[in-house]
Amino acid sequence: EAGVVQSPRYKIIEKKQPVAFWCNPISGHNTLYWYRQNLGQGPELLIRYENEEAVDDSQLPKDRFSAERLKGVDSTLKIQPAELGDSAVYLCASSRRAGDGDEQFFGPGTRLTVL
Amino acid sequence: LAKTTQPISMDSYEGQEVNITCSHNNIATNDYITWYQQFPSQGPRFIIQGYKTKVTNEVASLFIPADRKSSTLSLPRVSLSDTAVYYCLVGLGGGGNKLTFGTGTQLKVEL
Repeated sequence: EAGVVQSPRYKIIEKKQPVAFWCNPISGHNTLYWYRQNLGQGPELLIRYENEEAVDDSQLPKDRFSAERLKGVDSTLKIQPAELGDSAVYLCASSRRAGDGDEQFFGPGTRLTVL
Repeated sequence: LAKTTQPISMDSYEGQEVNITCSHNNIATNDYITWYQQFPSQGPRFIIQGYKTKVTNEVASLFIPADRKSSTLSLPRVSLSDTAVYYCLVGLGGGGNKLTFGTGTQLKVEL
């Protein structure tokens, strides 16, 4: 089966510009996660969706970050405006369901550089 | 949050067994313990998951003591291709702790 697809793989923007990342999870996976990974650190959960509902967005900086998951399938994460500190790798993952410690499948990530 | 602590780095040689321990003192009753492997420029990849006692699959074993405040990932007979960062993840127990990746352990395997 196809894995988690993310695009773009790389993005370079100037500060204060908007940016968007797209994720297509594995077919049939109800749970979708967005993580941010800074250099040399572990992934940090930004938001978790169960189908189209955001069930955990407590660590999403809501002043500049937004996310949506249309029809419970694809998802988009947006930053507006971007700041220098937003430079990181943004990872998307999916799993069949949450609540039972289900295995997460990660995409390759989008490496964002803010100049 | 279920904070986890791992050694920053470990070195080993090909053919040896490697044990990486993760400390998670405030694990919740319903939390699972999951280990992931990550290579540069790739997303993490699932290795093994457990709740208590011992779990074994084709690539690793996971040892969890009765108090569940720590866990040990055991990699038998490592090879150069096992050089990667290993993360301990605690959470997602149906209302338990939020997902928390550990600091990660950089394993370097040499000839």
